[in-house]
Amino acid sequence: DQQVKQNSPSLSVQEGRISILNCDYTNSMFDYFLWYKKYPAEGPTFLISISSIKDKNEDGRFTVFLNKSAKHLSLHIVPSQPGDSAVYFCAARFSGSARQLTFGSGTQLTVLP
Amino acid sequence: NAGVTQTPKFRILKIGQSMTLQCTQDMNHNYMYWYRQDPGMGLKLIYYSVGAGITDKGEVPNGYNVSRSTTEDFPLRLELAAPSQTSVYFCASSPDLREQYFGPGTRLTVT
Repeated sequence: DQQVKQNSPSLSVQEGRISILNCDYTNSMFDYFLWYKKYPAEGPTFLISISSIKDKNEDGRFTVFLNKSAKHLSLHIVPSQPGDSAVYFCAARFSGSARQLTFGSGTQLTVLP
Repeated sequence: NAGVTQTPKFRILKIGQSMTLQCTQDMNHNYMYWYRQDPGMGLKLIYYSVGAGITDKGEVPNGYNVSRSTTEDFPLRLELAAPSQTSVYFCASSPDLREQYFGPGTRLTVT
């Protein structure tokens, strides 16, 4: 049973436009959410996170939105750049647990020049 | 500051062979993790450790063993390799219960 779902395996966006990556979760005990970016042949790198007590967190071109009632998370990248082309994973953590993290299956973002 | 290092980068094993995947971090993090990633899937937690001498099972521990004798090292042992263990293995460390820092991965093929 997938508790964290990324239903779009791929997304293509024109350079300079907005990229929106989506993530849904089923367990209301998740209290912290993260986005990771992964290039081929490299490990995932942390991008941005949000606590369940917030609904928005922004870091430069990256903004994460959390809708707790809908159990939905999204990552906005504005403006998108070719270097943003990578696989993006969302991940969630159970409240107070060291047994980390539950990952989605990833979305391949391609930013077209 | 090397972060999280993993060796080897690639390995081919025959069915029934054993091997140890090495993981070292130089950030003095208490928490360390082993994940596997199968094609088209997210990362699944194999084992984790909250400090030296303490380990616990994750979501998919069968066929693997770990030890944590020091803060820096967290090796993953495969005793009897099976084709189902063909995957990319990532080690990660964390200073707290939030962001994790990943190594570059080990690509393992069992034939």
